[in-house]
Amino acid sequence: GQNIDQPTEMTATEGAIVQINCTYQTSGFNGLFWYQQHAGEAPTFLSYNVLDGLEEKGRFSSFLSRSKGYSYLLLKELQMKDSASYLCAVRDSNYQLIWGAGTKLIIKP
Amino acid sequence: IAGITQAPTSQILAAGRRMTLRCTQDMRHNAMYWYRQDLGLGLRLIHYSNTAGTTGKGEVPDGYSVSRANTDDFPLTLASAVPSQTSVYFCASSDSAGSHADTQYFGPGTRLTVL
Repeated sequence: GQNIDQPTEMTATEGAIVQINCTYQTSGFNGLFWYQQHAGEAPTFLSYNVLDGLEEKGRFSSFLSRSKGYSYLLLKELQMKDSASYLCAVRDSNYQLIWGAGTKLIIKP
Repeated sequence: IAGITQAPTSQILAAGRRMTLRCTQDMRHNAMYWYRQDLGLGLRLIHYSNTAGTTGKGEVPDGYSVSRANTDDFPLTLASAVPSQTSVYFCASSDSAGSHADTQYFGPGTRLTVL
């Protein structure tokens, strides 16, 4: 079966750096997405990786290793507004998105 | 303002009743999707449409139906609601279902409670 694993919850301090990991086992691979979802709101797109390596976008970076079935989202200079759930999703061979359950990130002052 | 709208925002429904959740996008996206989100689970695809006039079944289609008469609208119908359909429902759209750079954009969601 298809599976996306990410930690349920993480806690970090304002101004620090946090890495949220995602491992996947899917039927085929056509890209990996990270979304941010604040409580009670819709998911919003953060990043997309289809080739191995690091994609940097401001304070957020996303890394992919296709051979290891592994990705991480790196958040730098954490702000209180970064408190949210972070969703990892993989597009499979049918071009459907398979979603992880999300990682709830709690930022403490 | 361009984007996706959903209606209603929330609804409490008696079991056995019929309910249609509405979704409209003005981005002229070809593909549209319906997901449900339940606590502790990832988003699960209910139905999708790659283009107007076509629909397909996702991971959890039972008890739901959709139609895609035009590009903008993609309503989701629960023919006879059951308590297990209590969930938050998100509609999403993307420019193309087949391109590598495709990104899905989400509506604000509908919180449905079936009693």
